[in-house]
Amino acid sequence: RKEVEQDPGPFNVPEGATVAFNCTYSNSASQSFFWYRQDCRKEPKLLMSVYSSGNEDGRFTAQLNRASQYISLLIRDSKLSDSATYLCVVNIISGGYNKLIFGAGTRLAVHP
Amino acid sequence: GAGVSQSPSNKVTEKGKDVELRCDPISGHTALYWYRQSLGQGLEFLIYFQGNSAPDKSGLPSDRFSAERTGGSVSTLTIQRTQQEDSAVYLCASSGFTPAGTTEAFFGQGTRLTVV
Repeated sequence: RKEVEQDPGPFNVPEGATVAFNCTYSNSASQSFFWYRQDCRKEPKLLMSVYSSGNEDGRFTAQLNRASQYISLLIRDSKLSDSATYLCVVNIISGGYNKLIFGAGTRLAVHP
Repeated sequence: GAGVSQSPSNKVTEKGKDVELRCDPISGHTALYWYRQSLGQGLEFLIYFQGNSAPDKSGLPSDRFSAERTGGSVSTLTIQRTQQEDSAVYLCASSGFTPAGTTEAFFGQGTRLTVV
């Protein structure tokens, strides 16, 4: 089982749609969770951190389910500019290392 | 500088030559990562440095790849006897730690390596 798993997509949605991505992680000791966004030919950038109580930033909502070991990202009222790859990031504690593991990403394409 | 800096931004090299890629992390960040990314693909983990601990080299694809981090700051990724399949964007990221856990990682803009 991969340490961090995401549906690669692509998710093709019309403008204004609501879309949700899930990400599962294998290490129950993980403490830090993030969603990153990567545009084509650009480096990944932090979209939002994910907190235990869930958090919202405008049209974006992130949630953490520790019992089932997954995090989610909900995008409401999708815009064309939301088209990108969304990366789930989790810290993994293994073999004496505490490091961030990036998922392979979920591609989102928003069309008019 | 305020962010992660990588150099060169682009590198074209002939097959069989050695190349060195440099990463200047954010000051104070103890963790440093190297990834590579081929066009249309996800991030491929290469190596991870954490403070003075031995690096996690589990992602290095072959013994032609090596990396150093001097003085806990600047890192150099070296690829010896480059092959065409080494062509990719090489990304460096750094992050810190707090009692609450690992902080977010910040990426440099990457080095686009082309082996001809």
